[in-house]
Amino acid sequence: KAGVTQTPRYLIKTRGQQVTLSCSPISGHRSVSWYQQTPGQGLQFLFEYFSETQRNKGNFPGRFSGRQFSNSRSEMNVSTLELGDSALYLCASSSWRGSQETQYFGPGTRLLVL
Amino acid sequence: GENVEQHPSTLSVQEGDSAVIKCTYSDSASNYFPWYKQELGKRPQLIIDIRSNVGEKKDQRIAVTLNKTAKHFSLHITETQPEDSAVYFCAASILTGGGNKLTFGTGTQLKVEL
Repeated sequence: KAGVTQTPRYLIKTRGQQVTLSCSPISGHRSVSWYQQTPGQGLQFLFEYFSETQRNKGNFPGRFSGRQFSNSRSEMNVSTLELGDSALYLCASSSWRGSQETQYFGPGTRLLVL
Repeated sequence: GENVEQHPSTLSVQEGDSAVIKCTYSDSASNYFPWYKQELGKRPQLIIDIRSNVGEKKDQRIAVTLNKTAKHFSLHITETQPEDSAVYFCAASILTGGGNKLTFGTGTQLKVEL
């Protein structure tokens, strides 16, 4: 099976702009989670989507939003970008099998806000 | 919410020695504890995980132990090799079939020296 893919891999934006990142999960996986990785804060959970519904949410401001489509692909959007939004954004897909739900990560999108 | 602490932040060992990384968690309801390895510029990859109904799990040179009473779990790598050099993250979550929100530790930079 193909792994989790994310596009674009790199992105440069300026403050105030908005950005949309895309994630395609492993075939058959219905859950997609998003994480922000920074040197200072580490890996932090943003939100999780399952069957087109947000199932869990982390402690990020409303500028961070997401959605999931019927084919399980997911997008996350960050509006009014701030310098502190510069980070590696990782998505992970998972599938519930026999009380196990392992998350598999994509390569990430590295966002630089200038 | 859940809080995961990880120690040490950096660890340097000689090739062939053992390495131990320790994590503590705060939420007694957490029942799933994965460990991820992240090489420079790459995605986090699951190396081993453990459920709360198991005290120890081993996979070749890697083992994880869990002490539910003390709320801590550890990663043990034996016979370390240069390719084990990477950042290791522990995580905790509550698996209920209703989502898998991982709370990560701050990471341990492991360096295996020749």
